[in-house]
Amino acid sequence: EVQLVESGGGLVQPGRSLRLSCTASGFSFGDYAMSWFRQAPGKGLEWVGFIRSKPYGGSTEYAASVKGRFTISRDDSKSIAYLQMNSLNTEDTAVYYCTRDRYSGSYYYFDYWGQGTLVTVSS
Amino acid sequence: EIVMTQSPVTLSVSPGERATLSCRASQSVSSNLAWYQQKPGQAPRLLIYGASTRATAIPARFSGSGSGTEFTLTISSLQSEDFAVYYCQQYNNWPPYTFGQGTKLEIK
Repeated sequence: EVQLVESGGGLVQPGRSLRLSCTASGFSFGDYAMSWFRQAPGKGLEWVGFIRSKPYGGSTEYAASVKGRFTISRDDSKSIAYLQMNSLNTEDTAVYYCTRDRYSGSYYYFDYWGQGTLVTVSS
Repeated sequence: EIVMTQSPVTLSVSPGERATLSCRASQSVSSNLAWYQQKPGQAPRLLIYGASTRATAIPARFSGSGSGTEFTLTISSLQSEDFAVYYCQQYNNWPPYTFGQGTKLEIK
């Protein structure tokens, strides 16, 4: 059974940093790209960023709203994807989800989602 | 950036009836369109990808159609567990991946 478990959320002051983890099980983690999404309270879904699998270069892409502040990485030996968030501001307050990304005909879609972890940025 | 627009914002339907949800893209996304269901306090769940292919373990009452800029999610006979918020998402042109604003399906 595919499982994704996010952790590391919590209350953080504006300008500070936080690192989220996404621990995967039930599939060959190293074969898959992984993404992060977020959902502000009462709002819709927003893509945050993406990391390719190592066979496809392991490169990353980011949404404009987080580029330069957030960094996605992965440790295939531990089956964990990370989201390092720096210079946080109140607009980053959201539930953060990680996903497993399926590759299909040059495109990726998101077939499994974790349960999410809440990040609250407030003084 | 491709803008996804869903309609209606809220849809009231009785159990056992059919629900039809719409999604429009600001430019063609081919068939690279997914639908998700989200219940309160839960993560989104993939229902449909490739505009019309049901994801694993998704009941046959869920069906998707369309290509290009116009898409539809149909739930043929609503069950109590189907009342939720539904999002469409394009994965044809990225970054960024973009979502519609959601349609809330409520009990009439």
